[in-house]
Amino acid sequence: QKEVEQNSGPLSVPEGAIASLNCTYSDRGSQSFFWYRQYSGKSPELIMFIYSNGDKEDGRFTAQLNKASQYVSLLIRDSQPSDSATYLCAVNNRGSTLGRLYFGRGTQLTVWP
Amino acid sequence: GAGVSQSPSNKVTEKGKDVELRCDPISGHTALYWYRQSLGQGLEFLIYFQGNSAPDKSGLPSDRFSAERTGGSVSTLTIQRTQQEDSAVYLCASSSWTSGGPDTQYFGPGTRLTVL
Repeated sequence: QKEVEQNSGPLSVPEGAIASLNCTYSDRGSQSFFWYRQYSGKSPELIMFIYSNGDKEDGRFTAQLNKASQYVSLLIRDSQPSDSATYLCAVNNRGSTLGRLYFGRGTQLTVWP
Repeated sequence: GAGVSQSPSNKVTEKGKDVELRCDPISGHTALYWYRQSLGQGLEFLIYFQGNSAPDKSGLPSDRFSAERTGGSVSTLTIQRTQQEDSAVYLCASSSWTSGGPDTQYFGPGTRLTVL
């Protein structure tokens, strides 16, 4: 059974702080890892993906992947109230970069002014 | 460019009725996915179409659920004899996989289904 676990939160940080979102996965064969942001009542929107060990930076967002520890994280620097949303971690199938994604239940982030 | 579109945006039906949900993927995307999201839950995979290959139906929760994709583009998810537990937001996603890269899925706005 493939599982993706996230801290459900809620995570609350002040504006300008770093928000750290964590995700672990059970399938060691997973190859691609995605972070989606979902505002209340809206559909998920892709923030970034990562598939190599290490860090990947895109603006204020940094994804970190450690396949040995089966751990992926998302750091949001200089957090803004507009970052308040639920963040979904998703991983793909064993041995393939195609096909269904397995989603965590999401971490709710609140950034207060 | 246009994103994934879904219709209707909201559907209220009575228990036992059949419903059809439509998804129009991003033009040129070869893969199409259906997920559903119940209140407070994560996304649950339903079915996946990739080009002309047989669909991956492993996530369909019962034989009341079916989906088709005509002409490699538009897809319809059909739920027969709806039950109250079918109430959820049904999300469609599409992707255009390129060799060597991850399969990045882009989601439509969803259809909120309420079964009374």
